Amino acid sequence: NAGVTQTPKFRILKIGQSMTLQCAQDMNHNYMYWYRQDPGMGLKLIYYSVGAGITDKGEVPNGYNVSRSTTEDFPLRLELAAPSQTSVYFCASSQMPEGRSPLHFGNGTRLTVT
Amino acid sequence: QKEVEQNSGPLSVPEGAIASLNCTYSDRGSQSFFWYRQYSGKSPELIMFIYSNGDKEDGRFTAQLNKASQYVSLLIRDSQPSDSATYLCAVSSGSARQLTFGSGTQLTVLP
Repeated sequence: NAGVTQTPKFRILKIGQSMTLQCAQDMNHNYMYWYRQDPGMGLKLIYYSVGAGITDKGEVPNGYNVSRSTTEDFPLRLELAAPSQTSVYFCASSQMPEGRSPLHFGNGTRLTVT
Repeated sequence: QKEVEQNSGPLSVPEGAIASLNCTYSDRGSQSFFWYRQYSGKSPELIMFIYSNGDKEDGRFTAQLNKASQYVSLLIRDSQPSDSATYLCAVSSGSARQLTFGSGTQLTVLP
């Protein structure tokens, strides 16, 4: 049972480039989330999804986009990368809304924008 | 703006001691409270959750919730070097039960 799988683990982007962070879960969870974590900081919610075809903005959505075409996959798209997007990105899933059940996290993607 | 505050530490305790980690929150209507452990360079993992006032024990871990004072704490008894990590407090509130994370407390258990 793989849980939540994120790719890539590391990436370096130049300013203005775009990329997609991949996230897949095999636990049949309806709820999926993208967080970013800056050094010494807590997790900030970027986007979340309550099921296939349904997404919504979190606390820090600017500069990002998501889609949820299947229950399993929840990719995060960065358009026109900026140095402020240098961070560690975590994808997570849960059986119920994040405040009602534990979050299962992927291993993270460490992104540097230079 | 909902806030969750934690002392960033580092908090150092000797092996075998009790480590006490504290968290305060601003939204009086908060309903659920979680403690996640995060080892350096790794993803967070759930340690405990608590919904009701009082204590909840799980092995060496005890979560304590006081809604009147708006704080939640995590006690780790018989601390081990393997407990050395950053502990994140997360609080959910609102109809959507969205989580707000604190910035974490770094704990070091000295052998």
